[in-house]
Amino acid sequence: GQQLNQSPQSMFIQEGEDVSMNCTSSSIFNTWLWYKQDPGEGPVLLIALYKAGELTSNGRLTAQFGITRKDSFLNISASIPSDVGIYFCAGSPNTGNQFYFGTGTSLTVIP
Amino acid sequence: KAGVTQTPRYLIKTRGQQVTLSCSPISGHRSVSWYQQTPGQGLQFLFEYFSETQRNKGNFPGRFSGRQFSNSRSEMNVSTLELGDSALYLCASSFGRSSYNEQFFGPGTRLTVL
Repeated sequence: GQQLNQSPQSMFIQEGEDVSMNCTSSSIFNTWLWYKQDPGEGPVLLIALYKAGELTSNGRLTAQFGITRKDSFLNISASIPSDVGIYFCAGSPNTGNQFYFGTGTSLTVIP
Repeated sequence: KAGVTQTPRYLIKTRGQQVTLSCSPISGHRSVSWYQQTPGQGLQFLFEYFSETQRNKGNFPGRFSGRQFSNSRSEMNVSTLELGDSALYLCASSFGRSSYNEQFFGPGTRLTVL
């Protein structure tokens, strides 16, 4: 199945730093979702985006739906230790309810 | 409101056996999607059910099947298990309408095939 290109693959940052990650696709998507997954658990939905250019925040998290509709970005400001985990993007071309997932960004926050 | 529940959480089977996994979606959600997650392949879409009908299907062999009941609960079945079927199986529920299709995941079922 199709996979999205998500980068970076992993990040090691100091507590308090800002984080940026992105996802790109060769196809146009109508929905972008961002998830965080802790080991052994299911992904938890962080932010949902439905319009090109849309910028949405959830606390210290901000995500954007790219203008081309082929990419999306997630920023985390002032990182804290509990931000540790794997972040996934997911996109849907709106054919039914099928989502394609990025390969994940593993985030490590050093206290 | 209760989240997505999956049972069992852990399962150990041997090659050749079959297994059935269960998923109860969030109340009011009519769409249930199933995913396989492995370290090498990431999250791979298996299939999606909406109002008891399979609406989308990923690229998995016919050994993987599913169904959805009238109360939106869904089951996934894997027959003739292979070692490569060891994975975390996740289900996700949503309203199912294309304009509000954000998906919420359950905790997953960890399947180990020996």
